[in-house]
Amino acid sequence: DGGITQSPKYLFRKEGQNVTLSCEQNLNHDAMYWYRQDPGQGLRLIYYSQIVNDFQKGDIAEGYSVSREKKESFPLTVTSAQKNPTAFYLCASTQQGYKGGAKNIQYFGAGTRLSVL
Amino acid sequence: AQSVAQPEDQVNVAEGNPLTVKCTYSVSGNPYLFWYVQYPNRGLQFLLKYITGDNLVKGSYGFEAEFNKSQTSFHLKKPSALVSDSALYFCAVRDGGWTGNQFYFGTGTSLTVIP
Repeated sequence: DGGITQSPKYLFRKEGQNVTLSCEQNLNHDAMYWYRQDPGQGLRLIYYSQIVNDFQKGDIAEGYSVSREKKESFPLTVTSAQKNPTAFYLCASTQQGYKGGAKNIQYFGAGTRLSVL
Repeated sequence: AQSVAQPEDQVNVAEGNPLTVKCTYSVSGNPYLFWYVQYPNRGLQFLLKYITGDNLVKGSYGFEAEFNKSQTSFHLKKPSALVSDSALYFCAVRDGGWTGNQFYFGTGTSLTVIP
């Protein structure tokens, strides 16, 4: 799982509660990403960030929020507005670059499994 | 719009036989193509990539993939399957230009290697 640490491994959310998933990387990568994985649907992009203090919505950003105050950290908050949060959440990072090499490869954390109580 | 299709949800193959996991893509510019593997309750691990150059790309654990521009395909292959290859495989694409910062993943193919 490279140099990306996600915590906690398992998380439970009560109705009306906001919860925050942690993602930290020590790879000195510029870009970080959050994906949601549901069975049979592959990975869907929630948010991504290319530089500190900047981030863009992905395909399913509603009910989620992020921040990027430090290069190595990209926490994801699942808000009470997300009515179906049960899923496996994956954080990834990559060093941006125009040509190949190690750039462009996404490195993933081990994931956080979120369930609703 | 960029997209990836993995037409098979499930692939079964006998141990020692060759395996193929299919992927087709759609991208507006030059494609950067990737294969990842996922074991249960784990993150994705990088297997191989095509950026430019030879159409046959070799990667980790004896896997290889062939880029076919005319068929817009990037099928994953291995000459002799192992039981330990059983996992979920994802194909991904990224636009090769400066502005292609998103990666697009297929829905995954579950590979089962039968002893």
